[in-house]
Amino acid sequence: GNSVTQMEGPVTLSEEAFLTINCTYTATGYPSLFWYVQYPGEGLQLLLKATKADDKGSNKGFEATYRKETTSFHLEKGSVQVSDSAVYFCALLYNQGGKLIFGQGTELSVKP
Amino acid sequence: NAGVTQTPKFRVLKTGQSMTLLCAQDMNHEYMYWYRQDPGMGLRLIHYSVGEGTTAKGEVPDGYNVSRLKKQNFLLGLESAAPSQTSVYFCASRTQGRDNEQFFGPGTRLTVL
Repeated sequence: GNSVTQMEGPVTLSEEAFLTINCTYTATGYPSLFWYVQYPGEGLQLLLKATKADDKGSNKGFEATYRKETTSFHLEKGSVQVSDSAVYFCALLYNQGGKLIFGQGTELSVKP
Repeated sequence: NAGVTQTPKFRVLKTGQSMTLLCAQDMNHEYMYWYRQDPGMGLRLIHYSVGEGTTAKGEVPDGYNVSRLKKQNFLLGLESAAPSQTSVYFCASRTQGRDNEQFFGPGTRLTVL
């Protein structure tokens, strides 16, 4: 079946450090892939997405490239800020009913 | 636009009590979803709807019922609450279209004692 696996957290970084959060997926066909972010006490917001192989999604300095050969969609940012502290979810779009399948989430804490 | 709103924000129930969570969206979206979020498990889909008057089961539907009598509202009911239903519940909506994003509400934190 379809599934998403993320690296476990929490991840603690110093401000301006490089961030990578790994995400791999299992799916039939060619799903679209998403990263959502959840700030403390809030709902999820779309961070970026990619809809086909080799697409790169980007937003707010974050990037992720859809790699079909490795079934991965790793999230990266070159220089994190304290305001990036949040929980990050990788998700796969299962087109029947437009349903999303989420990874377990990775908590990021950025220290000044 | 308020986007997606959820009522209530917090609730404490005793085992066996019933309650209804309300989700409302003002974006004229066709699709609506109910998820639960538990530590270490991400979000899991409970039920969803692809249009007014329709509902379908998600990944973890047992113990929940839903109704979509109006396009803008999606109700989640717990007929007889159990401690295993202690969770944070999120509603989301989206418009039709293959890769359109889901918009999420702020969540309802439910504790069942």
